[in-house]
Amino acid sequence: AQRVTQPEKLLSVFKGAPVELKCNYSYSGSPELFWYVQYSRQRLQLLLRHISRESIKGFTADLNKGETSFHLKKPFAQEEDSAMYYCALKVGGATNKLIFGTGTLLAVQP
Amino acid sequence: EPEVTQTPSHQVTQMGQEVILRCVPISNHLYFYWYRQILGQKVEFLVSFYNNEISEKSEIFDDQFSVERPDGSNFTLKIRSTKLEDSAMYFCASRIGSDTQYFGPGTRLTVL
Repeated sequence: AQRVTQPEKLLSVFKGAPVELKCNYSYSGSPELFWYVQYSRQRLQLLLRHISRESIKGFTADLNKGETSFHLKKPFAQEEDSAMYYCALKVGGATNKLIFGTGTLLAVQP
Repeated sequence: EPEVTQTPSHQVTQMGQEVILRCVPISNHLYFYWYRQILGQKVEFLVSFYNNEISEKSEIFDDQFSVERPDGSNFTLKIRSTKLEDSAMYFCASRIGSDTQYFGPGTRLTVL
């Protein structure tokens, strides 16, 4: 079955603290994973994708095929990081549709 | 930077009425999608569209739903006879090639 699991609905941290948003997936094919972010009242925006191996706004995520995980990390959280974060799995074939997790609300306290 | 746009931002309708949600994808994109998010739940795939036809649809996308690209710019989702459970945020997305999907701001549909 194709599934993305984000176990935490809410993650609350203080400014400057490290952040790790968990994402696990289930997929029989070769996975391609993304993190999307949704700031208050704004659209879903791509934050990063594993094939790019880039760091955006200080966030990184490494695909671990052994643990079927794609956790999002940032060493020092900022208040402007407060948002909803969605992990998504691209399912191959003609459509390349996205399967989303339920999302984690990150709240960074001052 | 070009963006996907959606209208209206909020649509309120009576149960049983038809609604049409409109999207203008990014102009050189070739693949188009509709997703929906019921309040408090995950974003779910509804349908994908390429080369003027549906390439995949989910089990949610039953006979009450249809999509159309009536001209070179718009991409519409029609719900023929709305039900209470169709109340959700509907997102349009588009992509070019195997690249990232870009999402619109969404239309909040409220069925009374």
